[in-house]
Amino acid sequence: DVKVTQSSRYLVKRTGEKVFLECVQDMDHENMFWYRQDPGLGLRLIYFSYDVKMKEKGDIPEGYSVSREKKERFSLILESASTNQTSMYLCASSLNREDIYYSNQPQHFGDGTRLSIL
Amino acid sequence: AQSVSQHNHHVILSEAASLELGCNYSYGGTVNLFWYVQYPGQHLQLLLKYFSGDPLVKGIKGFEAEFIKSKFSFNLRKPSVQWSDTAEYFCAVNAGTDKLIFGTGTRLQVFP
Repeated sequence: DVKVTQSSRYLVKRTGEKVFLECVQDMDHENMFWYRQDPGLGLRLIYFSYDVKMKEKGDIPEGYSVSREKKERFSLILESASTNQTSMYLCASSLNREDIYYSNQPQHFGDGTRLSIL
Repeated sequence: AQSVSQHNHHVILSEAASLELGCNYSYGGTVNLFWYVQYPGQHLQLLLKYFSGDPLVKGIKGFEAEFIKSKFSFNLRKPSVQWSDTAEYFCAVNAGTDKLIFGTGTRLQVFP
């Protein structure tokens, strides 16, 4: 069974801090995604990666960056945290780059990190 | 721009009632369609998916969804809900892009 592990379930940080959210998957998936989930807005894609060192902007990349140095790990970075980045952050992974285009494989999600910026 | 609409934001049912959650998308080409469920405190998990073939798709836990191309819809149904179906349900579409587009979600509460 696919396991997507996010390093923290709950995180509290202060405005202006640099914040790292870590995600690890154990199924050798090539594609990895970061979303934020907000009430009434559903899931919005921040960044995704279809290979090591590759990244593409999603719908709301402003204020975020990502890092994919190893296939199994995809990090989301808040360069200077702000209160409007308080949210639930979800990591997901899926098989094969071409599957992003054909979506023959579903995305598998982690448990989420609830981040509060004070 | 491609979009997914879930018009039911919050649905409240009694056990054994029938369920239908609406999902409409905006895209004229080939689509792949998904329903995900998020139970309280748990991660999102796939309920069912449609890629091609029979437009009536059966998923886990007695859920099914029907793809109606002419209506751009992919509504989720269950004939008789249970208290354990209390969750948030998300429709998602891949429509000729390299991204999955999610709806805003429907919160379902089932009372015993």
